[in-house]
Amino acid sequence: EADIYQTPRYLVIGTGKKITLECSQTMGHDKMYWYQQDPGMELHLIHYSYGVNSTEKGDLSSESTVSRIRTEHFPLTLESARPSHTSQYLCASSEFGQGAGRSGYTFGSGTRLTVV
Amino acid sequence: GENVEQHPSTLSVQEGDSAVIKCTYSDSASNYFPWYKQELGKGPQLIIDIRSNVGEKKDQRIAVTLNKTAKHFSLHITETQPEDSAVYFCAASIGAGNMLTFGGGTRLMVKP
Repeated sequence: EADIYQTPRYLVIGTGKKITLECSQTMGHDKMYWYQQDPGMELHLIHYSYGVNSTEKGDLSSESTVSRIRTEHFPLTLESARPSHTSQYLCASSEFGQGAGRSGYTFGSGTRLTVV
Repeated sequence: GENVEQHPSTLSVQEGDSAVIKCTYSDSASNYFPWYKQELGKGPQLIIDIRSNVGEKKDQRIAVTLNKTAKHFSLHITETQPEDSAVYFCAASIGAGNMLTFGGGTRLMVKP
């Protein structure tokens, strides 16, 4: 079944550690996105990619970095985690198209990151 | 760029009542308007969408209406049930599959 997977689901890590949040999709979508979701619900775009070797920063400034070496894989890395990075991180993918079934984003289940 | 405003931010209804969430958008070029439901501990899931060539779309207890002139669209949930309790997001884009601009979200609570 086509889907989008995020690992880990939960992560508690100490300040200063390097972490990578994984996101993979099996749908062959060209576009992928990372959102940071605060406790107040709002979704903040931090990175996006329109294809292999394409990455852009989103609206919300973030100290994280991303890479897109393969179509299906879009990992997010924090070189040195801080308590201010504590948040929910959501990955999504989409494919341009107007036909039935080709619409909108598919989201992963998210990674809840806590930096202590 | 596009700006999407969503109201209310929280909504509490009695089971069986209807719930309405409203969104406005700023870019008249936007032509795709999806709605997402996010349950606790999960990512948002697409529940219904509408394109600008359609004024209304229904799927069982949920419906979405679009007013292109006024640049607003709404989600209607009838006969609400406790399992409808979740956070709902509206969004807009130019072309389905292109980057979405999301509203701020509505936390819907359905009281049994």
